[in-house]
Amino acid sequence: AQKITQTQPGMFVQEKEAVTLDCTYDTSDPSYGLFWYKQPSSGEMIFLIYQGSYDQQNATEGRYSLNFQKARKSANLVISASQLGDSAMYFCAMREGGDNQGGKLIFGQGTELSVKP
Amino acid sequence: EAGVTQFPSHSVIEKGQTVTLRCDPISGHDNLYWYRRVMGKEIKFLLHFVKESKQDESGMPNNRFLAERTGGTYSTLKVQPAELEDSGVYFCASSRTSRGEAFFGQGTRLTVV
Repeated sequence: AQKITQTQPGMFVQEKEAVTLDCTYDTSDPSYGLFWYKQPSSGEMIFLIYQGSYDQQNATEGRYSLNFQKARKSANLVISASQLGDSAMYFCAMREGGDNQGGKLIFGQGTELSVKP
Repeated sequence: EAGVTQFPSHSVIEKGQTVTLRCDPISGHDNLYWYRRVMGKEIKFLLHFVKESKQDESGMPNNRFLAERTGGTYSTLKVQPAELEDSGVYFCASSRTSRGEAFFGQGTRLTVV
């Protein structure tokens, strides 16, 4: 069965340092997508980055990069040069692919990131 | 372009009452999803609309939950009668296609007392 695991309930990082948030997944579908969302204290879910299972290169979006290791089924989020505004809950999610799939997301438990000044 | 809008942002109701949550997706997005996060647990899929049709409602917990999307625009999620375990944050998301990026609303925090 498809599953997303985030093993770090909480993380601390010093401002301006890099931090890695872990995510592992399990699926038997060869076609899938992996997402990271940020949820600040205000509650909205903000899309950060996407990685397709057939993408050859790791996805990057500004200070966010996704360390995609397909054989290990991991999709860790790396945030470089952390800022105080990065303090939030971060969710890893997976969507199984195929044209007959509805696009629903399966989420991990989330990681609470706190950036220290 | 307006984002996904959910109303109300907070709702506190007594056990046994009825509550209706509303979601306005991004204009032109045929796909609309409802998710729920119960305290301390992961976000769970509830159901998926394509336009006005229910594509997948496998995540609906029981028949106390009724979702509609009349006319394929906004959607409502009604809980009747509400139970204590229904407390949580209810998210709505929309996307242009089922393989596209899903944009989330700010969520409705439901508290059943």
